Amino acid sequence: DGGITQSPKYLFRKEGQNVTLSCEQNLNHDAMYWYRQDPGQGLRLIYYSQIVNDFQKGDIAEGYSVSREKKESFPLTVTSAQKNPTAFYLCASSAEQGYNSPLHFGNGTRLTVT
Amino acid sequence: AQSVTQLDSQVPVFEEAPVELRCNYSSSVSVYLFWYVQYPNQGLQLLLKYLSGSTLVKGINGFEAEFNKSQTSFHLRKPSVHISDTAEYFCAVTLNSGYSTLTFGKGTMLLVSP
Repeated sequence: DGGITQSPKYLFRKEGQNVTLSCEQNLNHDAMYWYRQDPGQGLRLIYYSQIVNDFQKGDIAEGYSVSREKKESFPLTVTSAQKNPTAFYLCASSAEQGYNSPLHFGNGTRLTVT
Repeated sequence: AQSVTQLDSQVPVFEEAPVELRCNYSSSVSVYLFWYVQYPNQGLQLLLKYLSGSTLVKGINGFEAEFNKSQTSFHLRKPSVHISDTAEYFCAVTLNSGYSTLTFGKGTMLLVSP
């Protein structure tokens, strides 16, 4: 079955450490996205990528970094500069960027930083 | 820029009762509209989408939504809910021209009790 795999499901880190969240898709989708979800806040876009080796900042990119070296992979690094990193992180992909192409989501990674 | 307002953060309802989850959007140009559902600790799944054509859109699991351009609304309805419909529902909007990412509302938690 095609889909998006996010790992790990739960992640715990100490404050001041960088941490990388994995996202892999086998849907052959061009576009990939990272969202952050906080209770009562909906989903907020962190970064997105339309094609390999290209990505753009979303609404809340500060303190995060990404890479897109392969079509199927879009890892997200939460750096120590992110002031409030504890959240549920969702990766998504779509066949093409924008318009009417629906998003397919992974099952998320819950990051807790103490 | 577009925005989405989901007027209710929680909607409690009894099993087999009808339900309506409200969504209003704001945009200066034409839009595409979506409803997604999220079960606990999972990613989001597409329920239905409005791109063009008939303003009444049918989705999965017996849900439907009606696009009302004059009211700038896209309310989600189900005539008879089940316990298994308990989940969080997100309305989302994107512009139907140019370059645009998806903007999500803050979500409505549907709580179905026996």
